[in-house]
Amino acid sequence: AQSVSQHNHHVILSEAASLELGCNYSYGGTVNLFWYVQYPGQHLQLLLKYFSGDPLVKGIKGFEAEFIKSKFSFNLRKPSVQWSDTAEYFCAVSGGATNKLIFGTGTLLAVQP
Amino acid sequence: NAGVTQTPKFQVLKTGQSMTLQCAQDMNHNSMYWYRQDPGMGLRLIYYSASEGTTDKGEVPNGYNVSRLNKREFSLRLESAAPSQTSVYFCASSRKDRASSGNTIYFGEGSWLTVV
Repeated sequence: AQSVSQHNHHVILSEAASLELGCNYSYGGTVNLFWYVQYPGQHLQLLLKYFSGDPLVKGIKGFEAEFIKSKFSFNLRKPSVQWSDTAEYFCAVSGGATNKLIFGTGTLLAVQP
Repeated sequence: NAGVTQTPKFQVLKTGQSMTLQCAQDMNHNSMYWYRQDPGMGLRLIYYSASEGTTDKGEVPNGYNVSRLNKREFSLRLESAAPSQTSVYFCASSRKDRASSGNTIYFGEGSWLTVV
């Protein structure tokens, strides 16, 4: 069965700092990888996704993620965060015939102005 | 664009009461899902439906039932609500991307359920 681990539960950064959120998954087959963001009081929105091809994926709002197959990782990065990036970030993986999407426990990011 | 619509948005139930959360999508998606979100636990899959007429259990199905009424609608029923089912529930849908093997999943706005 597939699973997802997000090791950073709570991250606090100052504006303009660089961000990297860790995501590791376990699944033996071909996977599809996602990062979702949930702003306070809102529903989940897709930031970016990886299906195949270039392992460096660019998403909305300046975010990117790199799929490293040998490390089973899909870390989220942003070179310079803004106060408006304060949100909860979820890594998710789907794979196999069922395409069930399984989420990590989330990382709360607080950006201080 | 409506996307995924869930009702009700807020509900308070007494222990033992039953209720149904409704979900509809207008994107002609094949797959639909119900998740619950709890602090520190992320989103956990309750049930999903890969296509009309099929349903399957997710990570936390106990205490819930689902119905895939047609391609558009996927309802979640709590037969006898318990305080442990206090949560935010999200419905979602996806269509297998024809260009790849992956699905992009779109979420509804959530239903806040409190069981007292």
